[in-house]
Amino acid sequence: QVQLQQWGAGLLKPSETLSLTCAVYGGSFSDYYWSWIRQPPGKGLEWIGEINHSGSTNYNPSLKSRVTISVDTSKNQLSLKLSSVTAADTAVYYCARARYGTRYYYGMDVWGQGTTVTVSS
Amino acid sequence: EIVLTQSPGTLSLSPGERATLSCRASHSVSSSYLAWYQQKPGQAPRLLIYGASSRATGIPDRFSGSGSGTDFTLTISRLEPEDFAVYYCQQSGNSPGITFGQGTRLEIK
Repeated sequence: QVQLQQWGAGLLKPSETLSLTCAVYGGSFSDYYWSWIRQPPGKGLEWIGEINHSGSTNYNPSLKSRVTISVDTSKNQLSLKLSSVTAADTAVYYCARARYGTRYYYGMDVWGQGTTVTVSS
Repeated sequence: EIVLTQSPGTLSLSPGERATLSCRASHSVSSSYLAWYQQKPGQAPRLLIYGASSRATGIPDRFSGSGSGTDFTLTISRLEPEDFAVYYCQQSGNSPGITFGQGTRLEIK
């Protein structure tokens, strides 16, 4: 059974860089796209970006200038870096697995447990 | 960017009733790229429907999805107590990436 386990610093000061890692256990890494999604307190879901095993990325245009998503295939891990954080970046951050077919999207079927990140001076 | 607008914002129903949740897109979305998720408090979202109408693994058949173009619907035929949660639609495949609707809260009446 596939599991995603994520970790990273939970408390940051404004202007610092958020750094999170998500490890994939028990399944293929190369057949999927891997996304980061966040959810501010009491609000909805916001997609941050995605990466595949070869390092091909897509980012949310509203965050693109501050986001880097990378992958370490030797460890089956993906990472998120978000620079110059502000209080508006306070949220629960999730990693998730998605599969694409030929002109088809199978959705995000496996999610990490979520990491709460708070930005406060 | 594709904007997904869900309605209603909150839906109050009783167990056993039928729930109909709407997701409207600002531009046409291929049904192949439309998904629905359920989220309960303190939990990660759970995939319910992909391809607008295909149930994900382990999802009960009381959940069904339909629609095309700009209008999509999630229907729960007979509400069970565990179905009261927040529901999100999501689209992928239209540049510049993935977007979610703002969510519909399904609460017990």
